[in-house]
Amino acid sequence: ETGVTQTPRHLVMGMTNKKSLKCEQHLGHNAMYWYKQSAKKPLELMFVYSLEERVENNSVPSRFSPECPNSSHLFLHLHTLQPEDSALYLCASSQGLGSSYEQYFGPGTRLTVT
Amino acid sequence: AQSVAQPEDQVNVAEGNPLTVKCTYSVSGNPYLFWYVQYPNRGLQFLLKYITGDNLVKGSYGFEAEFNKSQTSFHLKKPSALVSDSALYFCAVRDRGDNDMRFGAGTRLTVKP
Repeated sequence: ETGVTQTPRHLVMGMTNKKSLKCEQHLGHNAMYWYKQSAKKPLELMFVYSLEERVENNSVPSRFSPECPNSSHLFLHLHTLQPEDSALYLCASSQGLGSSYEQYFGPGTRLTVT
Repeated sequence: AQSVAQPEDQVNVAEGNPLTVKCTYSVSGNPYLFWYVQYPNRGLQFLLKYITGDNLVKGSYGFEAEFNKSQTSFHLKKPSALVSDSALYFCAVRDRGDNDMRFGAGTRLTVKP
C-alpha cells in the first residue's frame, strides 16, 4: 500500500446526482492532487493543492469542485456530471510541490455516469 | 511546455529475457523524469526518478532507467523479466519549477512464461 486511500472504490451515479470522492494520505505530505484517467489517454491533472491552498486548476469544468480541509484530506465534489466524465479518478500526494518530488497514488475511484 | 511520448502501446517479452520500455520527452529546460507502474485495479506506483547526477538510475524491483540527454530519452530496463512484471508502465516528465507532471499514454508490458 502507498499510504494514500480513496473511497469509494466504485461509484455509479446518474447525471442529476451529487456525490463526493474522498482521499486521505497518511504520509505527512504537504501537496495533494486529483487526476482523471481515461482509457488510452494520458493522465490528466485536474487540481493541485499545497498546504490546503489550491495552486492549480487545469481548466476543469465547474461540475467538479475540489475541497482540501487539511493537508491529509482531499475531496472531489461531483454534480450534474456527463457520461464522458466516466473514468478512474486518482488522488496523489507528494512531500512538497517541488518538481523533483515523486507522487504517491491512491487506488482510485472508478466512476460511471449513467 | 513539457511533453512525453511512449512510442509502444504494447511490449511482449519472454520470462527471463531483458525488457525495455521506451520513453522520449520534450522540455524547455532541464527535466525531472519519472517511471510509474500500474497493476490492475490499483493506482500508480513510483518506480524510479532522474533528478541529476548519474545517468543510470536504479529503482524498485530491479528496474533501472538511463537518462540520455542527446536523444531526449529515458528508457526503462530490466535485465531479466518476471511474469509478475506484467503491468501498465507510465513515463512522466516535469520541467523544473513546474507543478504539472506530464504523463505518457502508457505501455502495457506482458511477460510470458
